[in-house]
Amino acid sequence: KQEVTQIPAALSVPEGENLVLNCSFTDSAIYNLQWFRQDPGKGLTSLLLIQSSQREQTSGRLNASLDKSSGRSTLYIAASQPGDSATYLCAVRPWTGANNLFFGTGTRLTVIP
Amino acid sequence: NAGVTQTPKFRVLKTGQSMTLLCAQDMNHEYMYWYRQDPGMGLRLIHYSVGEGTTAKGEVPDGYNVSRLKKQNFLLGLESAAPSQTSVYFCASSYSKGPYEQYFGPGTRLTVT
Repeated sequence: KQEVTQIPAALSVPEGENLVLNCSFTDSAIYNLQWFRQDPGKGLTSLLLIQSSQREQTSGRLNASLDKSSGRSTLYIAASQPGDSATYLCAVRPWTGANNLFFGTGTRLTVIP
Repeated sequence: NAGVTQTPKFRVLKTGQSMTLLCAQDMNHEYMYWYRQDPGMGLRLIHYSVGEGTTAKGEVPDGYNVSRLKKQNFLLGLESAAPSQTSVYFCASSYSKGPYEQYFGPGTRLTVT
């Protein structure tokens, strides 16, 4: 069974700092990987989706990379802002099996003004 | 364009009571999913549907039933609620063709006492 791990569980940084969030998965046979943002008491907002054939995706200040062979993905946030404070989840979709995503437990990010 | 909506937002049940959670999407997506989110654990798939009239079990289906009578709606039922079903429930939807990017609703917080 696919296991997805996100370390650290929580991270605090001062405003303006660049930061990297990590995601690792045990089975490299993935179809794609999605990064989500979750605000307290709210649903999930999709940030970036990387297909298994891609190495990275960028959206504004966000850049996600994928190294399928090593089972790792990173989410890079440039010039962090207090509005970036949220929990960030990564999820992988396997090539086979149920039509679902396997989620990590998330990294709770706090950007200090 | 409301996206994915869920009703109710909050609910408190007593052990043994039943209830139905409603998910609706207006994006004409073929696939719909029900997840639960528990502290310290990633989101886990309960049931999913690949089209009107079809449903399938996910990772944690016990104690739940689902129905997809209309393409835009996906219902999750608890026939006899248990305290272990206290959780936040999320509905999601996606197209039936790649990349299967999932869009999530705001969630339903359910407490079973």
